[in-house]
Amino acid sequence: DQQVKQNSPSLSVQEGRISILNCDYTNSMFDYFLWYKKYPAEGPTFLISISSIKDKNEDGRFTVFLNKSAKHLSLHIVPSQPGDSAVYFCAAMNTGTASKLTFGTGTRLQVML
Amino acid sequence: GAGVSQSPSNKVTEKGKDVELRCDPISGHTALYWYRQRLGQGLEFLIYFQGNSAPDKSGLPSDRFSAERTGESVSTLTIQRTQQEDSAVYLCASSWTTQETQYFGPGTRLLVL
Repeated sequence: DQQVKQNSPSLSVQEGRISILNCDYTNSMFDYFLWYKKYPAEGPTFLISISSIKDKNEDGRFTVFLNKSAKHLSLHIVPSQPGDSAVYFCAAMNTGTASKLTFGTGTRLQVML
Repeated sequence: GAGVSQSPSNKVTEKGKDVELRCDPISGHTALYWYRQRLGQGLEFLIYFQGNSAPDKSGLPSDRFSAERTGESVSTLTIQRTQQEDSAVYLCASSWTTQETQYFGPGTRLLVL
């Protein structure tokens, strides 16, 4: 039972363009969502998060959008840079009952020169 | 400041042997989590600690897996009688409280031959 889904295993984008990574969830009890970036042989690095009381959170080149009615969130990176090439994981949690994160399977982003 | 550290970084063991993995969380973080990532899959929750107690052990795959935490600091994850399907990257994360962002260590890569 995959409660958090990232349906695109990979994405290629030209440097300078926008990267859009998508994530869908099924558990309506999730109220806090995070994006992590992971380079090979390293642990995931926290990127940005959003609470369910918001629909947008922005931090520099990174913006996360949340559509609760559709149970969908997306991460926008603009402009994309070669150093952004990594695997991006979407994660969700219910802060009220269980603090564990439920992760998607990841999307590998490649930013091309 | 130091992040989450884990040791060993790599471990190769023979089927049937016991292994012990160590996690040093960020100083002051009261919550500590263990996850694992098998090849080609997303991160899978194993167990979390609030202080030294483990309210949620639901993710442990079998009774061969156990974990403890002492002094609200270091945690060890023990896998007894390892099997080949235990091969994975074992990741530790910590956070100030269970409602806040989790920060990950680099992981321990376990290979069971």
